[in-house]
Amino acid sequence: GDSVTQMEGPVTLSEEAFLTINCTYTATGYPSLFWYVQYPGEGLQLLLKATKADDKGSNKGFEATYRKETTSFHLEKGSVQVSDSAVYFCALSDQGGGNKLTFGTGTQLKVEL
Amino acid sequence: DGGITQSPKYLFRKEGQNVTLSCEQNLNHDAMYWYRQDPGQGLRLIYYSQIVNDFQKGDIAEGYSVSREKKESFPLTVTSAQKNPTAFYLCASSSLDGRIEKLFFGSGTQLSVL
Repeated sequence: GDSVTQMEGPVTLSEEAFLTINCTYTATGYPSLFWYVQYPGEGLQLLLKATKADDKGSNKGFEATYRKETTSFHLEKGSVQVSDSAVYFCALSDQGGGNKLTFGTGTQLKVEL
Repeated sequence: DGGITQSPKYLFRKEGQNVTLSCEQNLNHDAMYWYRQDPGQGLRLIYYSQIVNDFQKGDIAEGYSVSREKKESFPLTVTSAQKNPTAFYLCASSSLDGRIEKLFFGSGTQLSVL
């Protein structure tokens, strides 16, 4: 079945550092890929998405590129802020799956001054 | 404002007790979902519904039940058969208009066992 693998956390960075959170997936067909963010005590919010190979999703300075050849969707940000501290989830949606998402285990990011 | 409302925010269950978590949405979405979140395990799908009066089991449906009598509402019952119910429960919804749409999530219910 479908699966998503994320790098384990927590990831601790200093403010203005470069961020990469790795995500790889296994799926049949051509899934859509998502990054969601969860702030403490809250539900998840969509951060960005990509629906086909080579698409780049971007939002709030975060970017991720759908790489079919490496089955990856790594999240990057050039300069993190303390307010970016949260848990980040990579997810995929199977075609025809009725928008059901398969999530990775989440990666906690802590940004310090 | 449109959105998803989950209640209560915190819930405690006694041994042998069934408890029901509420989820209401006013986004006019066709599909609704229940996920369970455990530390280090990400989110796992319990049940989902794409239309009123119909629902399907997800990956971990055992010990749970749902109903979808109204488009706006998708309550989840955690039965006494669920032996490890302590978790953070998230409800979500999405439209089903043929496009891959994002899920809108509620703010969650933390269920603990007394």
